[in-house]
Amino acid sequence: DQQVKQNSPSLSVQEGRISILNCDYTNSMFDYFLWYKKYPAEGPTFLISISSIKDKNEDGRFTVFLNKSAKHLSLHIVPSQPGDSAVYFCAASAKNFGNEKLTFGTGTRLTIIP
Amino acid sequence: DVKVTQSSRYLVKRTGEKVFLECVQDMDHENMFWYRQDPGLGLRLIYFSYDVKMKEKGDIPEGYSVSREKKERFSLILESASTNQTSMYLCASRTPGLAGGPTDTQYFGPGTRLTVL
Repeated sequence: DQQVKQNSPSLSVQEGRISILNCDYTNSMFDYFLWYKKYPAEGPTFLISISSIKDKNEDGRFTVFLNKSAKHLSLHIVPSQPGDSAVYFCAASAKNFGNEKLTFGTGTRLTIIP
Repeated sequence: DVKVTQSSRYLVKRTGEKVFLECVQDMDHENMFWYRQDPGLGLRLIYFSYDVKMKEKGDIPEGYSVSREKKERFSLILESASTNQTSMYLCASRTPGLAGGPTDTQYFGPGTRLTVL
């Protein structure tokens, strides 16, 4: 039972354009969401997060949007740069479980075309 | 900077062998985690530990056990390795905090790619 879903396994975007990565979840208990970025042969690194009390969080070129009614979040990268080429995982946690446990999506491989 | 290290980057073992994967973190984090990453399946939680000598099963604990004797070290044990345990294994650590805060972030090691023949 995949509680966090990333339906696009891959995405290609021209350099300078906007990259939009999507994530859907099914568990209404999730109240904290994160995006991780992973390069080959490295561990995932934290990118940006959002609490369920917000609908938007911005950090430089990265913005995460949360639509709780649709159980959907998205990561916007603008402008996209070649160094953004990586696999992106969204993840979710729930306060009533102490937020220790993250449930990850299956990942989206983003390729930025120069 | 948080540093999470894993004992091996690449490991090749034979079916039936006992395998130890070691993870060490240097930030005095209470929580530690073991995941495996497989194509099309994302990261799946095997086991985690709230603190020393404490452990909890994750989503796919079958065929694995763990040990946490010291705060900085979390070991994953494959009692009798099988070919379906060929995977990338990732360790992570975290300090518990208020929900929505930066301390909810998990920090990952570089991973161990295990091949079981």
